[in-house]
Amino acid sequence: QKEVEQDPGPLSVPEGAIVSLNCTYSNSAFQYFMWYRQYSRKGPELLMYTYSSGNKEDGRFTAQVDKSSKYISLFIRDSQPSDSATYLCAMSARNQGGKLIFGQGTELSVKP
Amino acid sequence: DAMVIQNPRYQVTQFGKPVTLSCSQTLNHNVMYWYQQKSSQAPKLLFHYYDKDFNNEADTPDNFQSRRPNTSFCFLDIRSPGLGDAAMYLCATSRDPNGDTQYFGPGTRLTVL
Repeated sequence: QKEVEQDPGPLSVPEGAIVSLNCTYSNSAFQYFMWYRQYSRKGPELLMYTYSSGNKEDGRFTAQVDKSSKYISLFIRDSQPSDSATYLCAMSARNQGGKLIFGQGTELSVKP
Repeated sequence: DAMVIQNPRYQVTQFGKPVTLSCSQTLNHNVMYWYQQKSSQAPKLLFHYYDKDFNNEADTPDNFQSRRPNTSFCFLDIRSPGLGDAAMYLCATSRDPNGDTQYFGPGTRLTVL
């Protein structure tokens, strides 16, 4: 079993839709949770960072962490064609040298 | 703008011919990481430097080595590239190694012929 599981998609939605992206994990030591966006042939770009459980909102993006269920989510409201990319969840534990464990990534396509 | 820079963006090498990838940062971060990302897969950590301290992941092949001559620069050396080493190589930095945000460079796409 992988430490982090993420549905690879692809996920195709119409412009303006609400998108829900999810990851589950098995390591209860994870405390730091991130969502990265990666456009084709580019490096990952940090979207959201959350420490421990809770919600965080930034513009059209909301990140949720439920440590009791070992489940994290990213919601994108009013999705735009420019949101078309691969979304990677990533997480790390304390005292592990900052090693990020990534999900496989979900490929999102927002159609105009 | 403060950033993470990788050179070259695309590198083509021959089977078995050594290659060096470069990363530099203007963020003055203490930690630098190298990740390998194969097509449609998650990035996988190869090693990282915390200041001058080198930390190798247990499953990183011996074929991969790294150097960090100063705070700003870090190099990835692949001594004898095989076809299986074709991938995107990502450099990232952070201020400290405990949960701090990691900022990634644009990556170097390595092709092995």
